[in-house]
Amino acid sequence: EDQVTQSPEALRLQEGESSSLNCSYTVSGLRGLFWYRQDPGKGPEFLFTLYSAGEEKEKERLKATLTKKESFLHITAPKPEDSATYLCAPYEDDKIIFGKGTRLHILP
Amino acid sequence: NAGVMQNPRHLVRRRGQEARLRCSPMKGHSHVYWYRQLPEEGLKFMVYLQKENIIDESGMPKERFSAEFPKEGPSILRIQQVVRGDSAAYFCASSPRSGEKLFFGSGTQLSVL
Repeated sequence: EDQVTQSPEALRLQEGESSSLNCSYTVSGLRGLFWYRQDPGKGPEFLFTLYSAGEEKEKERLKATLTKKESFLHITAPKPEDSATYLCAPYEDDKIIFGKGTRLHILP
Repeated sequence: NAGVMQNPRHLVRRRGQEARLRCSPMKGHSHVYWYRQLPEEGLKFMVYLQKENIIDESGMPKERFSAEFPKEGPSILRIQQVVRGDSAAYFCASSPRSGEKLFFGSGTQLSVL
């Protein structure tokens, strides 16, 4: 039973074309949700932590939002260097479960 | 302050051999997590440890796999009698307290011949 579902699995955008990535979860007692970026051959790199519904966090071209059942990662006017896999990880206890990620490719 | 250090970066083993993967957490971090990743797949939770204690090992196979985080020294993920299906990238992450963001190492790529 998947607790975390990320969509789409892969996304190709033209440079400057904004879009959103989705993370749906079935964790009941949510304590928080992490977003990470992973480049090929490297470990995930932390982006955001969200703790409660309605919360938003921004960093450069990225904005993360949280509702009771899902989180969105909005990317505005992306650049080729934003190409990576984006992972979300909601958690309710000490075990942090990651989704399979969205592979984002930004075409110049 | 050095980040999470994993070694070796690449490890090649023949079927039936043992693999030992090491992880030194960031300074001041007493919580360590191990994850496994296959190509095009997400990170699969294996085990969560605090100093000298296994807190949650629900993601780790019952046989051949073990993990430890001694009072002194790195955390070790040990895989005995490796099989081809064990080939994967193994990532370690650490945090200073439960529920806080994880800092990841660069991973160990295990290849079983």
